[in-house]
Amino acid sequence: SQELEQSPQSLIVQEGKNLTINCTSSKTLYGLYWYKQKYGEGLIFLMMLQKGGEEKSHEKITAKLDEKKQQSSLHITASQPSHAGIYLCGADDKGGGNKLTFGTGTQLKVEL
Amino acid sequence: KAGVTQTPRYLIKTRGQQVTLSCSPISGHRSVSWYQQTPGQGLQFLFEYFSETQRNKGNFPGRFSGRQFSNSRSEMNVSTLELGDSALYLCASSLAVTIGELFFGEGSRLTVL
Repeated sequence: SQELEQSPQSLIVQEGKNLTINCTSSKTLYGLYWYKQKYGEGLIFLMMLQKGGEEKSHEKITAKLDEKKQQSSLHITASQPSHAGIYLCGADDKGGGNKLTFGTGTQLKVEL
Repeated sequence: KAGVTQTPRYLIKTRGQQVTLSCSPISGHRSVSWYQQTPGQGLQFLFEYFSETQRNKGNFPGRFSGRQFSNSRSEMNVSTLELGDSALYLCASSLAVTIGELFFGEGSRLTVL
């Protein structure tokens, strides 16, 4: 079965700093999804990447997909307290239907 | 447009009991998936229903079951509860027939004593 490893597991950054979260898959990536979760709450969809080399941006968050490395990265520019939370990557399990395998998660704290 | 609604939000049960959780998807969404989230195992897929049929199933024991009604609302049931079943149970709905954006509910937090 597919496994997704995220790094780092947690990080604390000062407001205004840039940061990057990585998601590495044990198998070929066919589709990669990024979600954000506030502790104990549901997940909020951020972005979906489907093609190698694809890069998408939403406000100050940019995600890239590197098919060869079986890896995706999420970059936040000029972090704000509102960026704090748990970031999760999810991959299409290719089992058919809407089934995602999720990564281990990265907890982000933004200090003022 | 109402989001995904899960009930109850919090519940406490004792070992051996059973529990039923409910999920109302976004109007028009026919796919409903269930996930279990724990600190140790992270977010794990339980099952997915599409048009009242189970389309996918994760690696969970038979104590975990679910169903979907004609109005796309879904329920999951856990019988003979164990301490390890304590978790946040998340429901997600999707408009896509195949893989697509999942819309998650706030979750049902189950504590088993």
